[in-house]
Amino acid sequence: GAGVSQSPSNKVTEKGKDVELRCDPISGHTALYWYRQRLGQGLEFLIYFQGNSAPDKSGLPSDRFSAERTGESVSTLTIQRTQQEDSAVYLCASSVGASLQETQYFGPGTRLLVL
Amino acid sequence: RKEVEQDPGPFNVPEGATVAFNCTYSNSASQSFFWYRQDCRKEPKLLMSVYSSGNEDGRFTAQLNRASQYISLLIRDSKLSDSATYLCVVRRSGGYQKVTFGTGTKLQVIP
Repeated sequence: GAGVSQSPSNKVTEKGKDVELRCDPISGHTALYWYRQRLGQGLEFLIYFQGNSAPDKSGLPSDRFSAERTGESVSTLTIQRTQQEDSAVYLCASSVGASLQETQYFGPGTRLLVL
Repeated sequence: RKEVEQDPGPFNVPEGATVAFNCTYSNSASQSFFWYRQDCRKEPKLLMSVYSSGNEDGRFTAQLNRASQYISLLIRDSKLSDSATYLCVVRRSGGYQKVTFGTGTKLQVIP
């Protein structure tokens, strides 16, 4: 079946512009995660959605970052007034539910370059 | 101290060798553990979960030591295709779920 998809796959923007990244999770997956991975670095948790519960935004690095999810479907991560340090791969993952044993399935990521 | 720590490597090993990685975690409330594999410029994919009693999947063996707060991954008979970065993942509950990825250990299997 279809996996997690993300768009765009690559995004080049100028410093100060806003960008919107999209994630389509696997159908039926109630949990959705956003991560950031800078070049040569590990995954940095950004935000977590679980069903209709309030999202865990504890990983968002600044108020320039926000994310939304419509029900249990598409999610968008918005970065306002982009800075060069925002350059990274933004990965989305989904899982069936909230169990601690759940496997996270990752999308291919969006490579963001801020000039 | 980082919540999850891994030796970044790289571990350069010849084909057929056995190699082991460790991952330490600092929060004793951690409840579930995983190894993910990430190929260069690709997304992470689950390699295996780590169970308390230890578990094996073909050439891969994972162990958990709760007393010393580390997990390990052993790869036997290394293949060229095993070359990748291996990410340790730790999860715990507490209000929201907390998922923490280690920065990964890079493995390069040499012909």
